[in-house]
Amino acid sequence: GENVEQHPSTLSVQEGDSAVIKCTYSDSASNYFPWYKQELGKGPQLIIDIRSNVGEKKDQRIAVTLNKTAKHFSLHITETQPEDSAVYFCAARTLSGSARQLTFGSGTQLTVLP
Amino acid sequence: KAGVTQTPRYLIKTRGQQVTLSCSPISGHRSVSWYQQTPGQGLQFLFEYFSETQRNKGNFPGRFSGRQFSNSRSEMNVSTLELGDSALYLCASSPSPRTGNDGGYTFGSGTRLTVV
Repeated sequence: GENVEQHPSTLSVQEGDSAVIKCTYSDSASNYFPWYKQELGKGPQLIIDIRSNVGEKKDQRIAVTLNKTAKHFSLHITETQPEDSAVYFCAARTLSGSARQLTFGSGTQLTVLP
Repeated sequence: KAGVTQTPRYLIKTRGQQVTLSCSPISGHRSVSWYQQTPGQGLQFLFEYFSETQRNKGNFPGRFSGRQFSNSRSEMNVSTLELGDSALYLCASSPSPRTGNDGGYTFGSGTRLTVV
């Protein structure tokens, strides 16, 4: 089955700096790669996603890049703010006939220092 | 538009008991998936339901089961609870596994289950 590895597990940045989180996946059939932000006491919230036919996608301060050949994708957050502090998860969707499931990375605890 | 609603938010059960968790998806969403989140194992897929049918199941023992009703609401059940079942159980809804919109997984806030 699919395996998603995520690095780093913890990341501290100064407010205003950029943060980059990287993930690799194993199943070349995966075609959908979402990123989730989880704050304490809440469920994961989708912040951006990318499909395998797109190399890069940007939404204001957040961008995701995908390299299908190398099977890795990254989340980039620019001009970080304290409210960006949370746990971030990458995921890959495994294709299995008509069934779908998200395989998640292990998460990155991002701390933005004021 | 209401989000995904999970009830109850917190639950304490004793080993050997059984528990039922409930999930109401976003109105119009017909697919419901369940995930278990623990500090050690992270987020793991339990199962997905669409049109009252289980479409996919993760690598969990048969003590974990679920169902979906005609209004798309879903329940999951864990029988003979073990200490290791303590976790945050998350439900996610999406429009349909067959639409072109492959995304749209919206998670609820989860049910925190503690087994003592």
